[in-house]
Amino acid sequence: KAGVTQTPRYLIKTRGQQVTLSCSPISGHRSVSWYQQTPGQGLQFLFEYFSETQRNKGNFPGRFSGRQFSNSRSEMNVSTLELGDSALYLCASSLIPGSNEKLFFGSGTQLSVL
Amino acid sequence: GIQVEQSPPDLILQEGANSTLRCNFSDSVNNLQWFHQNPWGQLINLFYIPSGTKQNGRLSATTVATERYSLLYISSSQTTDSGVYFCARVPTGTASKLTFGTGTRLQVTL
Repeated sequence: KAGVTQTPRYLIKTRGQQVTLSCSPISGHRSVSWYQQTPGQGLQFLFEYFSETQRNKGNFPGRFSGRQFSNSRSEMNVSTLELGDSALYLCASSLIPGSNEKLFFGSGTQLSVL
Repeated sequence: GIQVEQSPPDLILQEGANSTLRCNFSDSVNNLQWFHQNPWGQLINLFYIPSGTKQNGRLSATTVATERYSLLYISSSQTTDSGVYFCARVPTGTASKLTFGTGTRLQVTL
């Protein structure tokens, strides 16, 4: 079965713009979490969604938001982009929250902010 | 906050060599996971190992929760093992939030 699909794979934006990233989980998986990876800060948790509800949020400013749809697909949005938002954004899915033994990641969206 | 530290930060091996990667965590954890990030950026789930030892082919992992460390063993390394290895603390309860370590970058050469 298909893995976790993230689109787009690469994205270039300029400061001040906003961006929306998409994540389609593995079929049947209802929990989606997002991570930001930068050379300086490493991998950091952004949010977790289950049944269209945000269950956990990491320590990021309000410019970072997300949502989950009834089909479990998730989007994250970053408004008023800053240079420091340049990162690889990774999405992971699992059947339900906490079932980390079967946690699968997508290949990520590489965002560059100029 | 919870600290997850990995060593060594970088490792270069010749194909066929064995290696041990270490993960130390600052607080008691109930569960620990190991991931491999391939050159294309994807994180592959290697082990979910709260305690004890697990093996999968040439890879094995051991977690000693009471002493707050975990080890990942790679035997007979291959060039496809190259990439970055992360350990991550798994929270208790029903949450998927992971706290990742700083990673060990492994390069396996011919």
